[in-house]
Amino acid sequence: QKEVEQNSGPLSVPEGAIASLNCTYSDRVSQSFFWYRQYSGKSPELIMSIYSNGDKEDGRFTAQLNKASQYVSLLIRDSQPSDSATYLCAPRGLTGGGNKLTFGTGTQLKVEL
Amino acid sequence: EPEVTQTPSHQVTQMGQEVILRCVPISNHLYFYWYRQILGQKVEFLVSFYNNEISEKSEIFDDQFSVERPDGSNFTLKIRSTKLEDSAMYFCASSEEGNTEAFFGQGTRLTVV
Repeated sequence: QKEVEQNSGPLSVPEGAIASLNCTYSDRVSQSFFWYRQYSGKSPELIMSIYSNGDKEDGRFTAQLNKASQYVSLLIRDSQPSDSATYLCAPRGLTGGGNKLTFGTGTQLKVEL
Repeated sequence: EPEVTQTPSHQVTQMGQEVILRCVPISNHLYFYWYRQILGQKVEFLVSFYNNEISEKSEIFDDQFSVERPDGSNFTLKIRSTKLEDSAMYFCASSEEGNTEAFFGQGTRLTVV
């Protein structure tokens, strides 16, 4: 089983629609969870963090966490063409002692005009 | 807004040569990381560093790699004898605490020829 699983996409949504991105992870002791956006050739850019079960909203973004199901998601409302990028799910593990982020392969999102 | 800075942005080196990639983490951050991303692949963890020592490293981080915090601001990654397969984007990241948000630098593209 992969440590972090994401649908690679591409996920195509029309402008103004809601984009829904999903992620499952295998490390049960992960305590914190992050979503990063990565444009081609650029570095990961932090867009959301979530630490406890439930929903967390920040502007057009909502992160949802369910630790029992080992599942985290990101909703992007009113999607814009500038949201077109790869979205990386990254749980932060305690295993190994280094608090590393473990990245999934990412979901490519395309927002179409 | 504080940011992680990396130099150089692009480095070309001959196989077998030593390279040093430099990073200046955000000033009040205590945890430092190196990640790499081979073209078309996912972001991979290399090493985490806290309190002037390595706290975790991956299998990729073998004896050819080393990290150092030579002064109060810089954090470096050295590759002693580069191989073709070391060609990748190398990202430095830092976080204030072990489980808080990690911010990435813009990356150094390393090309080994």
